[in-house]
Amino acid sequence: AQKVTQAQTEISVVEKEDVTLDCVYETRDTTYYLFWYKQPPSGELVFLIRRNSFDEQNEISGRYSWNFQKSTSSFNFTITASQVVDSAVYFCALSVGETSGSRLTFGEGTQLTVNP
Amino acid sequence: DTEVTQTPKHLVMGMTNKKSLKCEQHMGHRAMYWYKQKAKKPPELMFVYSYEKLSINESVPSRFSPECPNSSLLNLHLHALQPEDSALYLCASSQDNRTPYRPFFGPGTRLTVL
Repeated sequence: AQKVTQAQTEISVVEKEDVTLDCVYETRDTTYYLFWYKQPPSGELVFLIRRNSFDEQNEISGRYSWNFQKSTSSFNFTITASQVVDSAVYFCALSVGETSGSRLTFGEGTQLTVNP
Repeated sequence: DTEVTQTPKHLVMGMTNKKSLKCEQHMGHRAMYWYKQKAKKPPELMFVYSYEKLSINESVPSRFSPECPNSSLLNLHLHALQPEDSALYLCASSQDNRTPYRPFFGPGTRLTVL
C-alpha cells in the first residue's frame, strides 16, 4: 500500500518570506509519480507539478521549486518570496506503478496562509 | 480546450431526492474519475472509467451510481443520500488509465444533503 504524509497541517508566514512544504511518501513500487496540487478556497485543484521516480532532478518554476530525494522518500515544495495569493491548501499526491493511471493517493494537505 | 466542466456548481438535496452530477471534457481523454472530498480532508477516489467502462469502484455505496454514456461525459447519479455524503465532488480526466498522465480536475460540485 502507498501513503503520503504531509506533517505540517497549517503554516502561517508573512508576505515575502520563503516557505517549504514537506511531503514524505511510502511505496514499494519502483515506478511511481509524485504530484503537487494547490487548492484555493474556490475548491478547484490546480496542478503544479508531476515528477516520476526516475527523475531526481530538482525543478524551479518561477517562485516555485521542488526538491525530490529518493533516499529520504521526500518531495518538498518551496515557495520563494511568498505572496498573499499563495494562500491555499497544498496537496502532495502519489500514483504508483505503470498501469494505475491517474489514481492518486493524496496527503492530508497543508493549509498555507500568507499574511500581508 | 484543456478544461473539465462540472454542473451544477452547488446542489442541495433531501435524503429522498434523486439528482445527478455531470462532468464533461473535450480533450479526447479516455479515462475519467470521480473523487469525493469532505471538508478539510484530501480527495478520495470513488470510481474510474476507462474507455467508457467502469474499471475501479472503491467500495462506494450503491446510492452513488456512476455512468459514462460516451467518452466525453461522466455522470454520477445520487439517490437516498445521507447527510454525511455532503462533500465536494470532483471529476477528473486523463489521457488513459494505463500511465499516470497528469489528471485534469474540474471545479467540483458542492453537495449538501439535508
